[in-house]
Amino acid sequence: EAQVTQNPRYLITVTGKKLTVTCSQNMNHEYMSWYRQDPGLGLRQIYYSMNVEVTDKGDVPEGYKVSRKEKRNFPLILESPSPNQTSLYFCASSYKGGGTSYEQYFGPGTRLTVT
Amino acid sequence: KQEVTQIPAALSVPEGENLVLNCSFTDSAIYNLQWFRQDPGKGLTSLLLIQSSQREQTSGRLNASLDKSSGRSTLYIAASQPGDSATYLCAVRPTSGGGADGLTFGKGTHLIIQP
Repeated sequence: EAQVTQNPRYLITVTGKKLTVTCSQNMNHEYMSWYRQDPGLGLRQIYYSMNVEVTDKGDVPEGYKVSRKEKRNFPLILESPSPNQTSLYFCASSYKGGGTSYEQYFGPGTRLTVT
Repeated sequence: KQEVTQIPAALSVPEGENLVLNCSFTDSAIYNLQWFRQDPGKGLTSLLLIQSSQREQTSGRLNASLDKSSGRSTLYIAASQPGDSATYLCAVRPTSGGGADGLTFGKGTHLIIQP
């Protein structure tokens, strides 16, 4: 089944404790992105990647890191989480080409709470 | 900077009614527009994708239209059912960066279909 998977789905952590949220897609998509969703603010892009070893900042990159060492994986790293990073995080992927190029597929989300 | 607005923010209608959700965007330089559905606490499910050269797309009881020059899209839901209750999100992808940049989302329309 074609899908985007994220782990963990739920995470409660403390301020300053480094964490990684993994994202993997099995559709051989070139493009991957991370978004956060907050009440009243909607979904905002954190980082995106156009291909292996190619990443760029989205609208709200501060406090986050990403890497794209393999085409299928795009982990989100919080080196020193803070309470304002408490949010619902989504990974997404899309491909180029064909009638539905750049159609975004989303993972199930990771709910992160930083205390 | 692109802004996406969805009206109404919330809508409650009796089962069986036909309804229209509206989406407007400020910058007409878009690559495509995508409608999503989000159930509470869940991820985003892609409903329809309209490329900038297209006027509409249909899937079952759903029909989405796009008027790029006026910066508007509508999602038409025919014969609504309680199972259609969800938040509906509109998102546009810019033409810059070869289409690789992320989506700009509206804040959504929270739809309740009363049995």
